[in-house]
Amino acid sequence: DTAVSQTPKYLVTQMGNDKSIKCEQNLGHDTMYWYKQDSKKFLKIMFSYNNKELIINETVPNRFSPKSPDKAHLNLHINSLELGDSAVYFCASSPQRGGPRSTQYFGPGTRLTVL
Amino acid sequence: GQQVMQIPQYQHVQEGEDFTTYCNSSTTLSNIQWYKQRPGGHPVFLIQLVKSGEVKKQKRLTFQFGEAKKNSSLHITATQTTDVGTYFCAGQSRYGGSQGNLIFGKGTKLSVKP
Repeated sequence: DTAVSQTPKYLVTQMGNDKSIKCEQNLGHDTMYWYKQDSKKFLKIMFSYNNKELIINETVPNRFSPKSPDKAHLNLHINSLELGDSAVYFCASSPQRGGPRSTQYFGPGTRLTVL
Repeated sequence: GQQVMQIPQYQHVQEGEDFTTYCNSSTTLSNIQWYKQRPGGHPVFLIQLVKSGEVKKQKRLTFQFGEAKKNSSLHITATQTTDVGTYFCAGQSRYGGSQGNLIFGKGTKLSVKP
């Protein structure tokens, strides 16, 4: 069974569209994350979500919004897509946010291409 | 804000040669983690270091955490083609910086020539 799963794996869309990426973890973890990995492979945290507390990276545009229907799911909704949003988006989870139990388990990634 | 710097950005080695990547933080860390990402894959957790001066080994991989808990290294002995990938360090600020989130270095991309 996949521990952290994401759908879709590939997403190709036009500028200005709105899209969502879904993430689910079956590890029973308390914290979930979204990361963006650009073409240079830099891995940048976008959000972390723990017990209904959302921590936002201040550099993330407000066109990006995470939505968590329950502890096992953290979806990413993106409004008005721009060319610069093209990247691989990784969902991850960890038992806790900080400390020795913050080991991250990553999903397979969603490659988003904005045309 | 907290920064984690990692060098080198790229490393090309002949199979059998050793490889080292270095990680430095601008702040004291509570722990540091290392991840490996194979080409086309996702980051996979390798190890976590918590104690000052800690050294851990996994087969040909040796991980060190500095005495001041601000730097770390990953050394691979006698590289193999299966070691190819990007190695990331990720540090967590001791003082709860970035709300306790891990801050990833930019990674070292290792290529191994057979």
